[in-house]
Formats: sequence, structure tokens, C-alpha cells
Amino acid sequence: EAQVTQNPRYLITVTGKKLTVTCSQNMNHEYMSWYRQDPGLGLRQIYYSMNVEVTDKGDVPEGYKVSRKEKRNFPLILESPSPNQTSLYFCASSFGGGRVAQHFGDGTRLSIL
Amino acid sequence: AQSVAQPEDQVNVAEGNPLTVKCTYSVSGNPYLFWYVQYPNRGLQFLLKYITGDNLVKGSYGFEAEFNKSQTSFHLKKPSALVSDSALYFCAVRDMNNNAGNMLTFGGGTRVMVKP
Repeated sequence: EAQVTQNPRYLITVTGKKLTVTCSQNMNHEYMSWYRQDPGLGLRQIYYSMNVEVTDKGDVPEGYKVSRKEKRNFPLILESPSPNQTSLYFCASSFGGGRVAQHFGDGTRLSIL
Repeated sequence: AQSVAQPEDQVNVAEGNPLTVKCTYSVSGNPYLFWYVQYPNRGLQFLLKYITGDNLVKGSYGFEAEFNKSQTSFHLKKPSALVSDSALYFCAVRDMNNNAGNMLTFGGGTRVMVKP
């Protein structure tokens, strides 16, 4: 089954404790993205990657890091999480560029205390 | 810069009645436009898109949307709503001239409540 898998689905942690949210896709997609969803703001892009070792900032990259060492994986790293990063996070992937629909994971709800 | 506005936070409709979810956009060039739906505790699912061609686009689950360039709108419609259509709907746009990867800009979302 074609899917984008995120882990963990839920996480409560404390300020400053480094965490990683993993994202893996099994569709051989070149493009992968991370979004955060906040009420009334829709989805805002954090980082995206056009292929292995090619990443770039989205609209709200501050406080986040990503890496793309393998085509299927695109982890999101919060080096020193803060309460304003409490949010619902989605990973997405697609073939090609902006003409193509994205496939989304089921989301990761992060709470930073 | 590209932007999307969904002017209604919530739309309430009775089952069997027509459903419309509004979306307007702003881009410097020509747009790629998308509608996604989100059910509770799930990621976004693709409904339909406009890239070029016919202004009326048909998508999944009986939804359609009409691209109106003069009004810069891309409203989502369904002739007869079902209770199971209750969900959060997102409009998204990408400027064709935007070379920044496949960056999409999403609207704030519209919650649709269909009552029996």
C-alpha cells in the first residue's frame, strides 16, 4: 500500500530536549515536505526537499532542521524545542513539481511543555 | 508572493442540499490550484486540482470546483451533500512561476458540517 508514515503520532516533551520526527514514504517520490498545522492558519511549510541531499526552507523554518540522506526518509529535527513549536505536523511527498498532488502522512501531534 | 483566502471558518448545510466552500487566491503568474480534505486524526487527502484547460474540474467523492480567473476564485462544490462530507477542507495554490520546489500555500481551512 502506498503510504507516508510518520512516527511518533503523539509526543509530549519538555523545552530544550532534542527530538526527531521520522517520515518515510514507499512511493519513490522525489519531493518531500514538512508542514505544521495551527488553528486558523492552515498548513505552513517548514522545509522541503526536491531530492536526496537537496533541501530548502519553506515559510517557517526557524527552530527546525531536516536531512535527506535517502530518498524514502525525511526526518524533522527540533534541536531545542520550545512551547511555540507545539503543533500538528504533517509530512508529505509527491512526484515531480507543483502540478502534482501530494500524499500526506497521518500527522504527529507535538506538545512542548 | 502567493496567498489563499478561505473566508468562511465553517459552513453548515443540511444533507441533500448543495454545498459550496469558497476559495480566492493571489499569485503573480498563473496558478496551480488544489483542494484537499482532512478527516479527524488523518492527514490531508487530495480531492481535485486545476492546472490548465477546462475551468470546471471534477474530483473525488462527487466534488467539483470552478476556476474563475477574473474573480481569482476556485470554489469547491457538491450538488448534494452527505453527512460523511463533514470534514475540514483546504484550498491550496502554487504560482506557476514559482521555482521554489513544489511549495504550496494553503488557506486557513473551512470546516464543513452536514446535518442529517
